[in-house]
Amino acid sequence: EPEVTQTPSHQVTQMGQEVILRCVPISNHLYFYWYRQILGQKVEFLVSFYNNEISEKSEIFDDQFSVERPDGSNFTLKIRSTKLEDSAMYFCASSEATQGYFRFVGYTFGSGTRLTVV
Amino acid sequence: DQQVKQNSPSLSVQEGRISILNCDYTNSMFDYFLWYKKYPAEGPTFLISISSIKDKNEDGRFTVFLNKSAKHLSLHIVPSQPGDSAVYFCAASGFTMNRDDKIIFGKGTRLHILP
Repeated sequence: EPEVTQTPSHQVTQMGQEVILRCVPISNHLYFYWYRQILGQKVEFLVSFYNNEISEKSEIFDDQFSVERPDGSNFTLKIRSTKLEDSAMYFCASSEATQGYFRFVGYTFGSGTRLTVV
Repeated sequence: DQQVKQNSPSLSVQEGRISILNCDYTNSMFDYFLWYKKYPAEGPTFLISISSIKDKNEDGRFTVFLNKSAKHLSLHIVPSQPGDSAVYFCAASGFTMNRDDKIIFGKGTRLHILP
């Protein structure tokens, strides 16, 4: 079964450093997302990406965050200057479609990257 | 701002019995509801969904019920099996919102299936 692959599985970084979280979405998917889950809290939407641009972003996704699809397969989330409160599980997701009730066809999450900011 | 609420952080059910997980939502613009299952160190895995035009959807041991007037949905698992022990997230999305594919999650309910 196709899957969304995220690397690394765990990243430890010093406060103020830049981190890049990597994702390989399912190959025929066109829509890409990042979510995060702070320990003990709910999974929260960060950003959606389609046709090489951001479709929507949450208020969490401030100027410290950016996303990129540098080639045909990778989708990255960059945090420019990490803060302690950025420590969380970051989940990448991808989907085939975004039309009506079919928009969740194949909407698949990766296993996540645990980011620890020290 | 809890648009999707799961008020029970945990639930224990005897193996073979019915597990009922509940979820409430506040946003009447939601038109699609999903349940995800999550094991430790894994991402959320889609379980079952229901659109707002239906009040019930069944898939094997899993049934989701939607009561739009009460803004309430529930997930029934019967019979419950040991492999069902996981965290279950209720989630929702609103087609008529500005964007139509963002998923709003609840905080989750940890289900323990007892032998």
